[in-house]
Amino acid sequence: GDSVTQMEGPVTLSEEAFLTINCTYTATGYPSLFWYVQYPGEGLQLLLKATKADDKGSNKGFEATYRKETTSFHLEKGSVQVSDSAVYFCALSGNGAGSYQLTFGKGTKLSVIP
Amino acid sequence: DSGVTQTPKHLITATGQRVTLRCSPRSGDLSVYWYQQSLDQGLQFLIQYYNGEERAKGNILERFSAQQFPDLHSELNLSSLELGDSALYFCASSVRTSGRDTQYFGPGTRLTVL
Repeated sequence: GDSVTQMEGPVTLSEEAFLTINCTYTATGYPSLFWYVQYPGEGLQLLLKATKADDKGSNKGFEATYRKETTSFHLEKGSVQVSDSAVYFCALSGNGAGSYQLTFGKGTKLSVIP
Repeated sequence: DSGVTQTPKHLITATGQRVTLRCSPRSGDLSVYWYQQSLDQGLQFLIQYYNGEERAKGNILERFSAQQFPDLHSELNLSSLELGDSALYFCASSVRTSGRDTQYFGPGTRLTVL
């Protein structure tokens, strides 16, 4: 079945540091890929998405590129802020059979210190 | 604000009891998905409804059931509750563009079973 593997956390960075959170997936066909973010005490917010190979999703300074050859969708940000402290989830959804349920990675907790 | 609403925000109950969680999707979205987030299992897909019909089932226990009403709101019913059912329960509604689904999550219901 489908699966998502993302780097274990927690990750602690200083403000303005470069962020990479690795995500790889296993799926048949051509899934859509997503990054969701969960701030403390809140629900899941869609951060960015990509629906086909070589697509780049971007939002709020975060970027991720859909790499089919390496089955990866790594999240990057050039300069993190304290307000980026949250848990980040990589996810995929299938592309057929009428249902598009999300398969999530285990999440990576990011803490940014001033 | 994703536009997806969930009630109640918190629920505390005892083992053996039954509870109902409610979800209202974004205006115009026909699909509702339910997910469970727990510390040991992470985020897991439970069930999906599309325009009132069950579309897909995931790791949903037989003690749990759901339905989607004509006004498209959905309810998740959890019965014979056990301590291990304590978790965050999210619903999401989706919009489809170019044959791909994007899910938007509600704020969640935190269930505590004592």
